[in-house]
Amino acid sequence: ILNVEQSPQSLHVQEGDSTNFTCSFPSSNFYALHWYRWETAKSPEALFVMTLNGDEKKKGRISATLNTKEGYSYLYIKGSQPEDSATYLCASKMDSSYKLIFGSGTRLLVRP
Amino acid sequence: DSGVTQTPKHLITATGQRVTLRCSPRSGDLSVYWYQQSLDQGLQFLIQYYNGEERAKGNILERFSAQQFPDLHSELNLSSLELGDSALYFCASSVGSGSANEQFFGPGTRLTVL
Repeated sequence: ILNVEQSPQSLHVQEGDSTNFTCSFPSSNFYALHWYRWETAKSPEALFVMTLNGDEKKKGRISATLNTKEGYSYLYIKGSQPEDSATYLCASKMDSSYKLIFGSGTRLLVRP
Repeated sequence: DSGVTQTPKHLITATGQRVTLRCSPRSGDLSVYWYQQSLDQGLQFLIQYYNGEERAKGNILERFSAQQFPDLHSELNLSSLELGDSALYFCASSVGSGSANEQFFGPGTRLTVL
């Protein structure tokens, strides 16, 4: 993998469903993996920053895991609510510079 | 509210013109980042400043330049504007300069070039 890739591109779930999506990134020269939540007409909001292989972080019903050896992170949402509807972005640092490379996001729509 | 402010909120201008976008970071944050989000494109990193010095550069065009001032606010200058420069420009800030620092995004400036 030469870039930060997210899947699926979009996801429609019913209120109450649990869901998860994937962020894949180059595993070499890994430094950090970020997850952001971006609601329509607002600005991205940081959810998690993870740096260690095996890291698991949780914020309410949202949690994330990190596998730096194989180059992926999962974001889980338990019991999705309509207010969880947003685009979820991940970003990773891919080389020795300071810049973060963002994936194109997973757009989640939770139907009441 | 992230604590990052950006002005103006909207900007409409013509091709060939020059504009300046302004960003004030959160209190205590030393790093400022600029991102561009064009139609159908993800967030593209443009440039980062840390405590007044350029720290990282992304896909920033030569027509674009930025700086961070002693009071830590930053300006992004876009010149010889083209239609394709129409986009949402975000500024973000963080405490440190490293990649493990959580970034706080401002509300963005929507630039329309006619």
